[in-house]
Amino acid sequence: EPEVTQTPSHQVTQMGQEVILRCVPISNHLYFYWYRQILGQKVEFLVSFYNNEISEKSEIFDDQFSVERPDGSNFTLKIRSTKLEDSAMYFCASSETHRAGELFFGEGSRLTVL
Amino acid sequence: GEDVEQSLFLSVREGDSSVINCTYTDSSSTYLYWYKQEPGAGLQLLTYIFSNMDMKQDQRLTVLLNKKDKHLSLRIADTQTGDSAIYFCAERPTDKLIFGTGTRLQVFP
Repeated sequence: EPEVTQTPSHQVTQMGQEVILRCVPISNHLYFYWYRQILGQKVEFLVSFYNNEISEKSEIFDDQFSVERPDGSNFTLKIRSTKLEDSAMYFCASSETHRAGELFFGEGSRLTVL
Repeated sequence: GEDVEQSLFLSVREGDSSVINCTYTDSSSTYLYWYKQEPGAGLQLLTYIFSNMDMKQDQRLTVLLNKKDKHLSLRIADTQTGDSAIYFCAERPTDKLIFGTGTRLQVFP
């Protein structure tokens, strides 16, 4: 069964460092997303991406965050200068269609900022 | 505003049915979802329902949708210990999902 894969599964970084989280969405999917879950809290939407552009972003997704699809398979989330409060599980997701049908998540990348 | 509400905990005996409830706010959501999250794991899509349906059944899972009251429920028949997890409902008024707080289901023998 096709799946969304994410790397790394866990990353520990120092405050102020840049972090890149990587995702390989399901191959025929066109819509890509990042969500995060701070420990013990809700899953929160960060950004959606389609046709090499951000289609929607939340208030959380400020100038410290960026997304990119550098090639035909990877989808990355970059945090330029990490803060303690960026510590969370980051989930990548993909969907074949817009606003409809199945939306599949990866296993997540746990980011710990010290 | 965007707010999806769920009760925090549910405890059931193995073999009984579990019913997890959810209320959502945006009537423009055309799809509503249930995800399962086991400890330390990702979000597994369990099922979803189109908003013009009021029920969907998939093996042990039954989803009921009351669109007038914006109420969604997930029934798990013959609950097993392997069903112990956090269950999230989510609405999708735009392309993004808005998740509920999650319901922790504990199944005891």
